[in-house]
Amino acid sequence: DTGVSQDPRHKITKRGQNVTFRCDPISEHNRLYWYRQTLGQGPEFLTYFQNEAQLEKSRLLSDRFSAERPKGSFSTLEIQRTEQGDSAMYLCASSLGGGSPEQYFGPGTRLTVT
Amino acid sequence: GNSVTQMEGPVTLSEEAFLTINCTYTATGYPSLFWYVQYPGEGLQLLLKATKADDKGSNKGFEATYRKETTSFHLEKGSVQVSDSAVYFCALTTTGNQFYFGTGTSLTVIP
Repeated sequence: DTGVSQDPRHKITKRGQNVTFRCDPISEHNRLYWYRQTLGQGPEFLTYFQNEAQLEKSRLLSDRFSAERPKGSFSTLEIQRTEQGDSAMYLCASSLGGGSPEQYFGPGTRLTVT
Repeated sequence: GNSVTQMEGPVTLSEEAFLTINCTYTATGYPSLFWYVQYPGEGLQLLLKATKADDKGSNKGFEATYRKETTSFHLEKGSVQVSDSAVYFCALTTTGNQFYFGTGTSLTVIP
């Protein structure tokens, strides 16, 4: 039983560079979520997909952030022109939806912007 | 709006002590409530859930009861072990999509 996987686990980049993260959800889950977690805080919702459709976006998701889930399977989160304030753990989660709202999280991608 | 408030940590307990981590919530509508645990260097793991008032979630000796009258979902364990050392997050959802998390409570259990 494979869980949610994320790649890379760690990313160090210079301010102004673009970065892309990948998330592979649990195979039978049609819902996929991105969260951001900073040190000492709980995860904060960024966006959510049902299959390939992006149905909800947080105010936290600025124009520099874009997420895709082109075939309803894996998802990518891109940050353009990174800023030091983007340094955080980016978490991906997936769920079956419907009567099973619980979300299953991946290990996260830790981004450090220097 | 929706929000979760957890007791501030860190919490340090001796092995076999009783654990309570307080969680209260504010929600529009009827939320489902969850506890997640994050071990060092790992992602969040679902610990237990309750989807309606008076439900009790339980797993691995941990329990929490959904109390609508006090808007609470306190986590308890009768006898903690060193392996329970982790950060615990209380969370809610009203839509089944966006989760709202508390700030987390760090627990350290000493032998």
